[in-house]
Amino acid sequence: QKEVEQNSGPLSVPEGAIASLNCTYSDRGSQSFFWYRQYSGKSPELIMSIYSNGDKEDGRFTAQLNKASQYVSLLIRDSQPSDSATYLCAVNQDAGGTSYGKLTFGQGTILTVHP
Amino acid sequence: KAGVTQTPRYLIKTRGQQVTLSCSPISGHRSVSWYQQTPGQGLQFLFEYFSETQRNKGNFPGRFSGRQFSNSRSEMNVSTLELGDSALYLCASSVRDGNTEAFFGQGTRLTVV
Repeated sequence: QKEVEQNSGPLSVPEGAIASLNCTYSDRGSQSFFWYRQYSGKSPELIMSIYSNGDKEDGRFTAQLNKASQYVSLLIRDSQPSDSATYLCAVNQDAGGTSYGKLTFGQGTILTVHP
Repeated sequence: KAGVTQTPRYLIKTRGQQVTLSCSPISGHRSVSWYQQTPGQGLQFLFEYFSETQRNKGNFPGRFSGRQFSNSRSEMNVSTLELGDSALYLCASSVRDGNTEAFFGQGTRLTVV
């Protein structure tokens, strides 16, 4: 089992729709969860961080965390063509402080928003 | 506030050579992590430095090494380059460690021929 798994995609949604991106992780001790967006040929850009169970909203983005189910998701409301990118889920396992600086990434989900 | 700066942006090296990549973190950030990104393996953690000390290391051979200076700037070195080392090398800085938000530089695209 991979440590961090994302829905494989690619995911295609029409402009204005809600895009839903999902991620599961294997280490129950994981503490911190991040979503990055990566445009083709560019580096990852942090768009959301979440540390506690529940929802966290930032503009059109909502991150949801359920530690009991070991599941984190990202919702993008009113999707725009400029949202077309690869979305990476990243988890910091922080097992007793030994995972300093180490983010474990999923393979990414390619999102295409078509006009 | 300036972001994470990586130099050079592009490199072409020959098998067997060595290479040094540089990373300047965001001002005030003391943790610097390095990642390798390839189409097949995705983003893989190389190592992390904090206050000039390596605190964590990924599963890469000893040819991959790094260091951090007193001003938090970091370098990574790859010796005896192999074709498989061709990748995008990314540096990320954070205030303290992986539990805080990490911001990536633009990366160094290394091609080994």
